[in-house]
Amino acid sequence: RKEVEQDPGPFNVPEGATVAFNCTYSNSASQSFFWYRQDCRKEPKLLMSVYSSGNEDGRFTAQLNRASQYISLLIRDSKLSDSATYLCVVKKSGGSYIPTFGRGTSLIVHP
Amino acid sequence: DAGVTQSPTHLIKTRGQHVTLRCSPISGHKSVSWYQQVLGQGPQFIFQYYEKEERGRGNFPDRFSARQFPNYSSELNVNALLLGDSALYLCASSLRDLSYEQYFGPGTRLTVT
Repeated sequence: RKEVEQDPGPFNVPEGATVAFNCTYSNSASQSFFWYRQDCRKEPKLLMSVYSSGNEDGRFTAQLNRASQYISLLIRDSKLSDSATYLCVVKKSGGSYIPTFGRGTSLIVHP
Repeated sequence: DAGVTQSPTHLIKTRGQHVTLRCSPISGHKSVSWYQQVLGQGPQFIFQYYEKEERGRGNFPDRFSARQFPNYSSELNVNALLLGDSALYLCASSLRDLSYEQYFGPGTRLTVT
């Protein structure tokens, strides 16, 4: 089993839709969680950190479920500009916090 | 303020050659990490340097090496290039160690022929 798994998609949704992605992780010692957004042939850009209590930033909501070992990203009222690949990142504790990226979930928002 | 900068943006090398990639972190950031990203995959961690010391290493062969300079900029070196080394090489900076959020540079696209 991979350390961090994401459904590669693509998720094809109309503008205005609500869409959610999950990211599962296998190591229960994982401590820090993040979502990044990556546009085609560009660098990943930090979207948001994921906190234990869940957190929201505008149309984006991130949740952590430690018992089932997954994080989620919910996007409300999708815009065309949300089309991108969404990468989850999981960092283990133990001093070095080495990050493991998922392969990303592709989102396509169409008119 | 400038973000993370990397040079060169593109590079074409032949198998067996050596390559050096460069990165300058965000001003005030003391940690630099290097990643390799092949098409269709997420970035894979290669190295992290903090305060000029290696603090983390991913599962890459000894052909890959790096260093960090007193001004916190960094170089990634790859020897004896293989076709499979063709990828986007990303540099990320963070304030301190990897527990902090990371910010990526635009990357260097390396093609090995």
